[in-house]
Parts: sequence; structure tokens; C-alpha cells
Amino acid sequence: QVQLQQWGAGLLKPSETLSLTCAVYGGSFSGYYWSWIRQPPGKGLEWIGEINHSGNTNYNPSLKSRVTISVDTSKIHFSLKLNSVTAADTAVYYCARGLGPAYSSTWYNWFDPWGQGTLVTVSS
Amino acid sequence: DIVMTQSPDSLAVSLGERATINCKSSQSVLYSSDSKNYLAWYQQKPGQPPKLLFYWASTRESGVPDRFSGSGSGTDFTLTISSLQAEDVAVYYCQQYYSTLRTFGQGTKVEIK
Repeated sequence: QVQLQQWGAGLLKPSETLSLTCAVYGGSFSGYYWSWIRQPPGKGLEWIGEINHSGNTNYNPSLKSRVTISVDTSKIHFSLKLNSVTAADTAVYYCARGLGPAYSSTWYNWFDPWGQGTLVTVSS
Repeated sequence: DIVMTQSPDSLAVSLGERATINCKSSQSVLYSSDSKNYLAWYQQKPGQPPKLLFYWASTRESGVPDRFSGSGSGTDFTLTISSLQAEDVAVYYCQQYYSTLRTFGQGTKVEIK
């Protein structure tokens, strides 16, 4: 049974870089896309981006200029960096595995399982 | 972007009664090549990550009670809880995966009346 465990700094100042890591336990790392999703307090879910074991990435265009998702297959984990954070980036950040088919190198994913979530607060 | 709009934003239902949540997409999420609807449903309880309930609009995830059902096609979808239990109090989200830019509905909060 795949489990995701995530960690990273929970309190940042404006303009700093958010950095989170998610480790995958109990299942295959290759053959899937791995996503980051965030949820501002009391609000809905926003998909940030994804990566596969080969390092191929897709990003939400609204965040693309500030986001980098990377993978370390030797350690079976993937990471999120979001630079120049502001208060609007305050949210619970989740990692998740993408499931679903792939057609013509495009993956169509729902998400399961999810990591436990990390609250990141941006405040001066 | 495909915009997902859920209704209502919240609802209160008596124990044992039916709860119905609607999800509408701004464009069809029915993929013509396989005739499948690229839509998932999640349940989120306070302090927990979302839990997958359905994919392909109506395929129930293993372990999900059969009082939950998913239906709909094209742009209009429904999540139904046939007999609400106390443990079903949660926020429910729909999500489309028709587009590479995956998007979620704003959520529907289900409470006990």
C-alpha cells in the first residue's frame, strides 16, 4: 500500500522560497506522475504541478513562473520549490500520486493517495 | 481552464436521508475516443487530506460504502449519499482530469440537520 510522507518548512517570510519534499513508501515510483496540490485555509484545492520518474514536468500556468518540481529517484522522493512567496501562498500543501491512463504521452490523472499535508504560512 | 462549479455550497441533511451534490463543468469532460467521463469525486474530513471516492464519474474506489454513488455525463454530474451517516460529515469535491490543467470544484459541505 503506497504511502506518501511529506515535510518542509512551515513558516516563511514574503519573498522567500517554499521548499517541500514528499517521499513514496510501499510501492513503485516509476510509471506514475506525482503531483503537488494546495489548499488555502478554508478554501478549495488548486493543482500546482506534477513530475514523473524521468523528470518530465507539467505545471499550472498560473504558477509556472515561480514553481520547480524535481525528482530524486534514488531516494524515491520528489520536491516542490515555489519562489518569491507572498501571503497568498499561505496554504496546506499536499503531495499526491496521479492515477489514470496515458494517451499520446499525455496523462489523465485523478489523485490517490495523498500525503498528510503541510501548512505553510507566509507572514512578515 | 475547465471551471468546475458545485452546488449547493453546503447542505444539511437528517441522518438516514439522501444527500445530493451537483458538479457542473464549463465544457464536456466526456472523452469521445473511450466514451468515459474524466471526473473524480473526493471526500475531505477536517484536518485530513482528500480521500478518493469515485473516478470515471461512477467507478467506486475500493472500500467506499455503497451508499455513495456517482452519476452523470458530459458536463453535469451528481454525487449521492443514499442514507446519510454521521461519519459522512465532510466537504466533497469534484475534479476533472480531461485537461492537463486539473481543476477542482469549490467544495460542498455536508452537515447533519
